[in-house]
Order: sequence, then structure tokens, then C-alpha cells
Amino acid sequence: DAGITQSPRHKVTETGTPVTLRCHQTENHRYMYWYRQDPGHGLRLIHYSYGVKDTDKGEVSDGYSVSRSKTEDFLLTLESATSSQTSVYFCAIKRGTGSTDTQYFGPGTRLTVL
Amino acid sequence: QKEVEQNSGPLSVPEGAIASLNCTYSDRGSQSFFWYRQYSGKSPELIMFIYSNGDKEDGRFTAQLNKASQYVSLLIRDSQPSDSATYLCAVRPISSGSARQLTFGSGTQLTVLP
Repeated sequence: DAGITQSPRHKVTETGTPVTLRCHQTENHRYMYWYRQDPGHGLRLIHYSYGVKDTDKGEVSDGYSVSRSKTEDFLLTLESATSSQTSVYFCAIKRGTGSTDTQYFGPGTRLTVL
Repeated sequence: QKEVEQNSGPLSVPEGAIASLNCTYSDRGSQSFFWYRQYSGKSPELIMFIYSNGDKEDGRFTAQLNKASQYVSLLIRDSQPSDSATYLCAVRPISSGSARQLTFGSGTQLTVLP
């Protein structure tokens, strides 16, 4: 257990509505990540954060924004949800330093955009 | 060419047999390699990581790395039905820089038959 919670765990929304997913960690890790997982694509990085108010884009960032105002919380926002954003979203934290650091995942949020 | 490739399976082995899962990667400068196990509807769980050429053993699991061939594998000895899951290979490419991000394969679905 990496001390990560995600909310909501499931959400159904309609095309064009804004959606915010929350990732909360209790271990004061500096690095946090948002991935999406789709059949045939594995896990793909959306955005990541390396500190409070420090964020950067990943491989599939179009249509997503993030914010990190506190160390423990990393928010992912879909400004105007589309059906292509139906996916399972995982938050992850990085533990360790140097070549031995590893990532641990939260329980995930299943998002359906109708 | 995908950066990290895995045979999607499904791979079926009888209980007690050795399951062999394979992964190839394209970035020759990749430094760190990870195996995650993901049960259906659950989040990825880290089971092994390896950084140096050769074998690394942890209980029934052995990770094997051959950087010259850009190949990493996971062996599961004495396979059990509880090992039935999707196994994700992840690589930290040299291009990840300070983000320390991982690139994932699509996963191999393993079924261990009682």
C-alpha cells in the first residue's frame, strides 16, 4: 500500500462537461504522475508533477490539465470531456532516488464519458 | 515500432509449470526495468525491478536482463492459479530525464490452469 487514494473511483459523465479527478498521498512524495490505461495501449503518461506548482506534460496531455497546490494532492482536470477520454486513470508516486527509484500506483478511477 | 513490446498473449500454463514472459525495448540507453502484475479491475502492483545485466531472483520470480539484446524477461516458477493476471513490462528510458517517467508495454495476459 503506497498510501495513495483516488476519488472518485467511478464516474459517468456526459460529453462536454468538466471533470476533475483527485489523487491524494500521505507519504510526502515529491513526484506524482497521472496515467491512463486503455486496451491495447498499456499505461500512458498524461502529466506529472515534481513539486508544488511544478508540473509538466506527458505523452498524451492534450485535453487535460493538472494542478498541485499541496504536496499531498494532484488534480487532473478534463476541461470538456470527450468520449475518447473514457478510460481508467491511475495516479502514481515515485519512491526512492537515483537508479533505484520505483513507481507505485493508486487504486484507479474508471471514467465513462457518454 | 513501439518503445516497449510484449506478446499480448493470452499465455496459458498448467499449475506448477514455469511461466516465461518476455519484453523488448527500443531505447538502448534505458537504465531501469520493472515488472508489474495487474489483476482484472485492479491497479498495477510492482513485483520485480532490475538494473544490471543478468538474473535477479525473488521467491518464485526471476527477472532476466540482457541489455545487448534489449530484452528483459520474467520467469515465474511453480505457477499457481493466483498468478493469473496481466503482467506489464515497464522501462525507464534515458530520455525520461528528471521526470523519471516509465514507458509501459501493453501487457501479457497469463492464465495458470489448475
